[in-house]
Amino acid sequence: QITLKESGPALVKPTQTLTLTCSFSGFSLNTAGVGVGWIRQPPGNALEWLALIYWDDGERYSPSLRSRLTITKDTSRNQVVLKMTNMDPVDTATYYCAHRHSTSGYPFDYWGQGIVVTVSS
Amino acid sequence: DIQMTQSPSTLSASVGDRVIITCRASQSINSWLAWYQQRAGKAPKLLILRASSLERGVPSRFSGSGSGTEFTLTISSLQPDDAGTYYCLQYYNLYNFGQGTKLDIK
Repeated sequence: QITLKESGPALVKPTQTLTLTCSFSGFSLNTAGVGVGWIRQPPGNALEWLALIYWDDGERYSPSLRSRLTITKDTSRNQVVLKMTNMDPVDTATYYCAHRHSTSGYPFDYWGQGIVVTVSS
Repeated sequence: DIQMTQSPSTLSASVGDRVIITCRASQSINSWLAWYQQRAGKAPKLLILRASSLERGVPSRFSGSGSGTEFTLTISSLQPDDAGTYYCLQYYNLYNFGQGTKLDIK
């Protein structure tokens, strides 16, 4: 059974760096084709994809946020970490991590419950 | 960046109705399109992948069609449990979500 869970601060100040951790079980990030991504959703708004890391350390980023994002993985601990620099109140959102299936043509299939992050001084 | 445009933005329908939601891509994405359902306060749930393949465990009243730039999600007979917001996602080149379609049950 695949599960993912996000953790990190509920509140960050403007200009600070946000660090979020996705802890997962039921799959390995050593398996060819597997990835873990981050998606966010501002209150009342649509989903926005942020970043993805693959089993082979390949990284993909949203072009509009690329300069602010870093995604890394710790395979031994079954964790993926997302860092977002220079936080602003517009970054207030629920942040989700999600599993990307190993099979070609599969999008995100399992999602964490999400973590609410508020940016305010 | 590939833009995804959904219509309508909101939809109100009755139990038993046939509901159609459309998603248009700004360029061809072949069949690399998924549909998600998001209930209030919950994470999105995958319904359809590769434009028309039903995810395991999803009721057969949900179906998807299309390729290239035009896609549809159809609910053949609306049920009370189907209320929520529906999103399309292109995964042909990186990932882009549509803006969502909020579905209410009358």
